[in-house]
Order: sequence, then structure tokens, then C-alpha cells
Amino acid sequence: GAVVSQHPSWVICKSGTSVKIECRSLDFQATTMFWYRQFPKQSLMLMATSNEGSKATYEQGVEKDKFLINHASLTLSTLTVTSAHPEDSSFYICSALFGIVYTQYFGPGTRLTVL
Amino acid sequence: AQTVTQSQPEMSVQEAETVTLSCTYDTSESDYYLFWYKQPPSRQMILVIRQEAYKQQNATENRFSVNFQKAAKSFSLKISDSQLGDAAMYFCAYRSAGRGGADGLTFGKGTHLIIQP
Repeated sequence: GAVVSQHPSWVICKSGTSVKIECRSLDFQATTMFWYRQFPKQSLMLMATSNEGSKATYEQGVEKDKFLINHASLTLSTLTVTSAHPEDSSFYICSALFGIVYTQYFGPGTRLTVL
Repeated sequence: AQTVTQSQPEMSVQEAETVTLSCTYDTSESDYYLFWYKQPPSRQMILVIRQEAYKQQNATENRFSVNFQKAAKSFSLKISDSQLGDAAMYFCAYRSAGRGGADGLTFGKGTHLIIQP
């Protein structure tokens, strides 16, 4: 149990375009999901908390108008990078809460390259 | 704000030997959770072990065990009988216990573990 998927696994886009990344909990319902960002050879940094049926909560310094998060169902959260620029190139990882102790289980990540 | 510190950027161990990865954290909270996650080259984050701060007993999961020292704010990971498949980045992470688990994780910078055959 507690499997989380992400799609796509790798995306290349042109500067100025928007990209949508999907995060799905496959075998459980997740009212809360999280989005992290990981630069090469660095740690994960929390970007935002995605709550089903309500607005996402963004960490300080994260532009909410640039990184749009939608959690429309109990198994799907999406992250849209709007007007992407090369500096947005990174590895984006989602996680979902599962279990009594609310452990986070992670998706396999999405590598975004903006040309 | 909470901080997590992993002071060992890289560790190397012979296959079948034991290695300990260090982690310290800073918090003013009394109730929280600590985690060790493994990130192999595939970059998939895998939960290794979890420790509830209110539990005095150290968590164990097969070859993986922790030494949790709450007063010292220390949370080290011991890997026994190291295997080639253990080679990965290991991240220590902290999460508040409040708000029903709705807080994100705070990660350390990670320790790159190399297993020598």
C-alpha cells in the first residue's frame, strides 16, 4: 500500500510556457499532499501543502501565482508551473499522507527542464 | 523554525560492516516525529525508519535502527550488515506532531553512503 505516482517523469518545455505535473495516490485517499523541490545534489525543500477542496498553503518565498496547485479530488493533486523560465528547472517531488502516524510517502519525482 | 543538521556529507563502509549516520535537530516543540529517508540514484524517496518523539524505545526495522536521544536532540541511523543496495543518499527529516500531520517535512542536507564491495 501507500503508492504515489507522478506524471510525467520528465518534461522539457520552452521558456514562457506552462507545465502541469500530476501527483496521484494509487491505493489510498489523501486529503493532504505536499510538493517539494530538489536542486541537483541538494536536499528537498517544501514548496506548498495541498489540501483537498481548499486552497494550497505556500511556504515563504514560493510564488503562488507561478506555482499553481489544485487538489480537486482525494487522489489527485496537480502542480502547474506557469510561464516557466530556465531557473525553474528542477526536480519536483510530491508526497501524500498515509496511515495513523501520517507518514509521508513520495512519488518518483518529475524532472523539469526549461529551455 | 525547526532545523535538521547532517554533518557527514559522505560516508563509506565495507560491505557487511556497520555504519552510523548522524543527525541533529533543533526544535522548541515537545512532540514531533523523526524520519530517515533513502534516495537511491533513481531519486525515489523511500522511508527507512520512523521515530515518535514520545516513545523512549528506539525504532528498529530489520538491519536499520536508530539511536534517539531526545535531550541531546540527536537521531542517528545505524545500518548493520551493509549491503550494496544500501548505497544511496540518506536524509534525516523532522515533522511537527500537531495539526494532524499536516505539516511538511524539514530535511537535512543528506549523507551520501558508499558501500565498498
